[in-house]
Amino acid sequence: KAGVTQTPRYLIKTRGQQVTLSCSPISGHRSVSWYQQTPGQGLQFLFEYFSETQRNKGNFPGRFSGRQFSNSRSEMNVSTLELGDSALYLCASSWGVNDGMDYGYTFGSGTRLTVV
Amino acid sequence: DQQVKQNSPSLSVQEGRISILNCDYTNSMFDYFLWYKKYPAEGPTFLISISSIKDKNEDGRFTVFLNKSAKHLSLHIVPSQPGDSAVYFCAASEINTDKLIFGTGTRLQVFP
Repeated sequence: KAGVTQTPRYLIKTRGQQVTLSCSPISGHRSVSWYQQTPGQGLQFLFEYFSETQRNKGNFPGRFSGRQFSNSRSEMNVSTLELGDSALYLCASSWGVNDGMDYGYTFGSGTRLTVV
Repeated sequence: DQQVKQNSPSLSVQEGRISILNCDYTNSMFDYFLWYKKYPAEGPTFLISISSIKDKNEDGRFTVFLNKSAKHLSLHIVPSQPGDSAVYFCAASEINTDKLIFGTGTRLQVFP
C-alpha cells in the first residue's frame, strides 16, 4: 500500500512569506500529526487532526496552522516566515487513538523548508 | 522542559555485539513508549513500542525494556548489524492522546 506522501519535498521561501505543506495519509488512516525537526530541538509536535478536527496542539505560535479535509489529507500553513522556521516538517498518520501506539505512526519523508 | 531525554548523543558498537540505547522521561502520565529509527532525508521508521503495563517487549533483534519506577526505558539490539547505523529516537505519549513527545535522538554507528 502507498505510504504517507508529503509534498513538496524541498521548498525555499523568503522571510515574511507564507507557505503551505501537504500531507496525504495512508489510505484509511484518519489521524494526521505534524512535527517539526530541527538540529537543536529534535522532533517537536505541532498538531494532530482526526476526522477534520484538531485534537491536540503543541507549543507553537499562531503563525503555524493546519487543517484536514474529508478525505483525511492535511495541510499545514506557516505565515510570516522567520529564519528560525527552517526545518524538516514531518507528518505521520495512523488509524486513530491508541492504534497509532500499537503499530506506531507511519511517517512521511518530510518537506525540507529553507527560509532565506 | 525536556520530558523525554536521550542523554547519549552517539553510540559506537562493533558488528555482532549488543547495542543498548537509553531513554529517560519525567512525565508519569506517559503510558506508551515507542522507538523510531531515522536515516538522513527520510522520515522516522517505527521499530517497537511498549505499553506502561508491560516491562518488556520483543520483536526479532529488538527488545525494549521499561522500568517505570526509574522512569527509564532502553532499546537492545542483538546482534547489531551495519544496517542498524542510524539515529534512534524514543518517544512517549500520554493516555488517550495521539501526541508524541520525542527525545533528541542517539546516533548509532555499527562498525565491522
